[in-house]
Amino acid sequence: QTVVTQEPSLSVSPGGTVTLTCGLTSGSVPNNYYPSWYQQTPGQSPRTLIYSTTVRSSGVPGRFSGSILGDKAALTITGAHADDEADYYCGLSLGRGISVFGGGTKLTVL
Amino acid sequence: EVQLVESGGGLVQPGGSLTLSCATSGFAFSDYAMSWVRQAPGKGLEWVSSVSGSGISTYYADFVKGRFTISSDSSQNTIYLHINNVRAEDTAIYYCAKHLVATLAFDYWGQGTLVTVSS
Repeated sequence: QTVVTQEPSLSVSPGGTVTLTCGLTSGSVPNNYYPSWYQQTPGQSPRTLIYSTTVRSSGVPGRFSGSILGDKAALTITGAHADDEADYYCGLSLGRGISVFGGGTKLTVL
Repeated sequence: EVQLVESGGGLVQPGGSLTLSCATSGFAFSDYAMSWVRQAPGKGLEWVSSVSGSGISTYYADFVKGRFTISSDSSQNTIYLHINNVRAEDTAIYYCAKHLVATLAFDYWGQGTLVTVSS
């Protein structure tokens, strides 16, 4: 069974930089798992931020960027805003139509 | 404008069944795969199932264990999720989501429909 790991919670100061990571208990996250990132605020549907590791979805501010850091996929927020406080989920496409999400990171901006 | 509108949720007794619908508009329905993703109260996102744009190929998470069936109707631009023998652990908001390319990342999400399993 594929288990995707994320930090349960992180905090960042307004204007600061924070990096969220997405790993696999079985090893490295390969590019052909096409990592994606989703933001969810309370009571709302998820919003797509990043797909195919680095591509920002339409309308997503430039302060959000995706990358591979070491053996993990990463989402970096540079110059955090108060309204970036949300839950963030990593998604991986495992092939054969199968998708999986990480457990999510609760980001606090304070 | 892409729109995904789920319906069919509600209160259902354990052991019962229900069918969720996701009506879509604003894109070429047969060109894109679609998925159902659920979120239990206070929990994270959990991928459930996907169907190809043609409706021919279907995929399921391991936990489904034959109780869920995904389908699509291109004449209605709608996908469905039928759940048999519902259990308390199926209580969740069920979102439909459009895939960006093939069954890779999602680019649009519906507002979700709440399924509550309780006697």
